[in-house]
Amino acid sequence: SAVISQKPSRDICQRGTSLTIQCQVDSQVTMMFWYRQQPGQSLTLIATANQGSEATYESGFVIDKFPISRPNLTFSTLTVSNMSPEDSSIYLCSVEAPLKDGYTFGSGTRLTVV
Amino acid sequence: QKEVEQNSGPLSVPEGAIASLNCTYSDRGSQSFFWYRQYSGKSPELIMFIYSNGDKEDGRFTAQLNKASQYVSLLIRDSQPSDSATYLCAGGNTGFQKLVFGTGTRLLVSP
Repeated sequence: SAVISQKPSRDICQRGTSLTIQCQVDSQVTMMFWYRQQPGQSLTLIATANQGSEATYESGFVIDKFPISRPNLTFSTLTVSNMSPEDSSIYLCSVEAPLKDGYTFGSGTRLTVV
Repeated sequence: QKEVEQNSGPLSVPEGAIASLNCTYSDRGSQSFFWYRQYSGKSPELIMFIYSNGDKEDGRFTAQLNKASQYVSLLIRDSQPSDSATYLCAGGNTGFQKLVFGTGTRLLVSP
């Protein structure tokens, strides 16, 4: 499976500020996926990021709040903007495995907004 | 609304027993299904995937898919305390495979 390096692993942020999360993959991938996992909940897809085009956002998520960059086939960032305590979650990036035999997740970013 | 449903548990089994985890899905267009294991504070780890009706075995794990009943299951044989985790079921369509996750079943294996 692809190896994903995600950082930061955790952060505590003040409300109203923004945090950018980075994901680096050890191989070229067409799509990268960003998920959110709120405390005690399952994973919810935020958006799908393609290289060279705008990200596709799921219902309930907007670009102004979660801008995404995808400058090349191995890297993506997710920014959580104008944060509030409700944004406290684990954020995960994911890619399809090279042999298309599953999806691999990064180690996650545990965000706490105070 | 595409949904994947799981019993939240906890499912408690003794060490050495078979743990049976179940999942139902509402989208008949779902073509592939994935089981992930998630330890507390960690990211999900892929255990198995299944595309075809029937059983698929990998070591102590067996995934079962019944598309007519829209039902997916994961059997864990010879359960170990280290198997204690939350197990997430996810379904995806063909194409770029956007996954829909269930809420997960917490498994507790007691020594």
